[in-house]
Amino acid sequence: QKEVEQNSGPLSVPEGAIASLNCTYSDRGSQSFFWYRQYSGKSPELIMFIYSNGDKEDGRFTAQLNKASQYVSLLIRDSQPSDSATYLCAVNPSGGSYIPTFGRGTSLIVHP
Amino acid sequence: EAGVAQSPRYKIIEKRQSVAFWCNPISGHATLYWYQQILGQGPKLLIQFQNNGVVDDSQLPKDRFSAERLKGVDSTLKIQPAKLEDSAVYLCASSSRQGSGEKLFFGSGTQLSVL
Repeated sequence: QKEVEQNSGPLSVPEGAIASLNCTYSDRGSQSFFWYRQYSGKSPELIMFIYSNGDKEDGRFTAQLNKASQYVSLLIRDSQPSDSATYLCAVNPSGGSYIPTFGRGTSLIVHP
Repeated sequence: EAGVAQSPRYKIIEKRQSVAFWCNPISGHATLYWYQQILGQGPKLLIQFQNNGVVDDSQLPKDRFSAERLKGVDSTLKIQPAKLEDSAVYLCASSSRQGSGEKLFFGSGTQLSVL
């Protein structure tokens, strides 16, 4: 079974700090990787996607992908209380099915 | 652009009863997904449609769950009979299938409580 693993947390960081969220996956042939943010009681919202090894930056968010080590991470710079949410990692497996498999999510708490 | 519409927002039923959820995807999105999200877990795929055809329903408990997507637009997910363990949020998502990945747009979900 193709799995996506995340530490459930919670990860607690002070306002203004860098939050680092990590995700590992089992399918070595996976091609595309996504980070969704889910506020309590709300539905997931796509915030970042990455296809190639290396870093991808979008505002305060940076996604990092290392296919050799099979991990993807999300960095949030200058964390704000409004960033407090669960962050879901999703991976498209190999084989062309384009069906994202989600991790259980990491709960992030940014305290003032 | 209108988002993914789902209804109802909440539903409370007793075990062994039946329930149905409705989803209207973003206009023009060919792919539609139903996910089940149990509290504290990530979304788990139940079924994927491409237009009005089923792509993957390998994780759908077919003895009690059924889904259809008529005319390749709206979709309904039905549970009959419901069990206590079906208590979860049922999320509908759609995508336009861009490139090598799938960027999903989720509806607000239906929170189901089975008593």
